[in-house]
Amino acid sequence: AQKVTQAQTEISVVEKEDVTLDCVYETRDTTYYLFWYKQPPSGELVFLIRRNSFDEQNEISGRYSWNFQKSTSSFNFTITASQVVDSAVYFCALSDVPQGAQKLVFGQGTRLTINP
Amino acid sequence: NAGVMQNPRHLVRRRGQEARLRCSPMKGHSHVYWYRQLPEEGLKFMVYLQKENIIDESGMPKERFSAEFPKEGPSILRIQQVVRGDSAAYFCASSRDLQETQYFGPGTRLLVL
Repeated sequence: AQKVTQAQTEISVVEKEDVTLDCVYETRDTTYYLFWYKQPPSGELVFLIRRNSFDEQNEISGRYSWNFQKSTSSFNFTITASQVVDSAVYFCALSDVPQGAQKLVFGQGTRLTINP
Repeated sequence: NAGVMQNPRHLVRRRGQEARLRCSPMKGHSHVYWYRQLPEEGLKFMVYLQKENIIDESGMPKERFSAEFPKEGPSILRIQQVVRGDSAAYFCASSRDLQETQYFGPGTRLLVL
């Protein structure tokens, strides 16, 4: 069975600090996708990134970066120079490469608070 | 290009009433997914639909819950005879194709009194 673990329930940092959100996953599939979604206080879910299991290259998008390591089954997310607007709940998710439904399996989420 | 739309954003029902949640996918998307977020929990898959077909409903409770995605109009998640435990945020997502990224709507927050 697939499983995603986000061990950090809550993180609180001061603005401009760097912060890393951990994500560890379990799957028996050799091909899968990994995702990060952001849920700001307004409640919607915002797509941030999708990675294919074949692509272990790290990715950077502005202040956001992602570190995918198959050897440790981890897909960690780092925010550099955090800002108050980054305050949100962040979800890591996993899906297989679907034969049928692309069911996303979500972690429990990490609530990130950036204090001014 | 409008995103996934859900309405209502908030819905209050008394126990025993029916709840109807609507989802209009992004333009060009024909795959719709429903997820439920219970308080203090992550999101859980409920059902996957294509136009006029339920493809996978393995995450949906067997009783009182149903979903449809008609040829014309939005996808509907219907909960009959709601109970307090149905109080949750219900999210709809859509994708262009089976292997494409799912984009989520703003959710419907259902409160059962």
